[in-house]
Amino acid sequence: DAGVIQSPRHEVTEMGQEVTLRCKPISGHDYLFWYRQTMMRGLELLIYFNNNVPIDDSGMPEDRFSAKMPNASFSTLKIQPSEPRDSAVYFCASSRRGPTEAFFGQGTRLTVV
Amino acid sequence: GESVGLHLPTLSVQEGDNSIINCAYSNSASDYFIWYKQESGKGPQFIIDIRSNMDKRQGQRVTVLLNKTVKHLSLQIAATQPGDSAVYFCAVTNYGQNFVFGPGTRLSVLP
Repeated sequence: DAGVIQSPRHEVTEMGQEVTLRCKPISGHDYLFWYRQTMMRGLELLIYFNNNVPIDDSGMPEDRFSAKMPNASFSTLKIQPSEPRDSAVYFCASSRRGPTEAFFGQGTRLTVV
Repeated sequence: GESVGLHLPTLSVQEGDNSIINCAYSNSASDYFIWYKQESGKGPQFIIDIRSNMDKRQGQRVTVLLNKTVKHLSLQIAATQPGDSAVYFCAVTNYGQNFVFGPGTRLSVLP
């Protein structure tokens, strides 16, 4: 298995533009997590899905952020409109048993200028 | 709400020595604790976890200790190796909700 695959690896966009981050979880994993990592705030859980259903989205910072999981092999995190303070590394992770033993992707480094 | 902190932001140890990384949490209702390792340019990697009904759990060269009385957990790495150099995060959750990460401790292994 190739592990959790995220795309793109790097994204630079202008303020106000829409950004879509993509994630392919490990096959057979029922849980999918989106995290954000910054120097100031560290690692934060944004939202997680179980069997494609959002379970906890309390970490989503505001309405500009949305996440979907249309099927078991694909998820997106969208920011619209993007702002400079959204600049961070966004990680996707998947697991068989909730947050335990979650496998992380390589992350998407987002820069909003 | 939950908060998680670390006693030391950086830790330097001699290769072969044991390392101890600490983490404090605030919510006494927290029931599940995880340690992650993050190498430069990579995503966090699960190391070991422990539930609140346990005080100690051992893995390969790693041990996690949980002291619920003072709301403190630690990660012990035996015979630290250069490959252990990374940032280590503790994470705390309450029945799968309110998942909170600590700010991280950078471990540097000296030759």
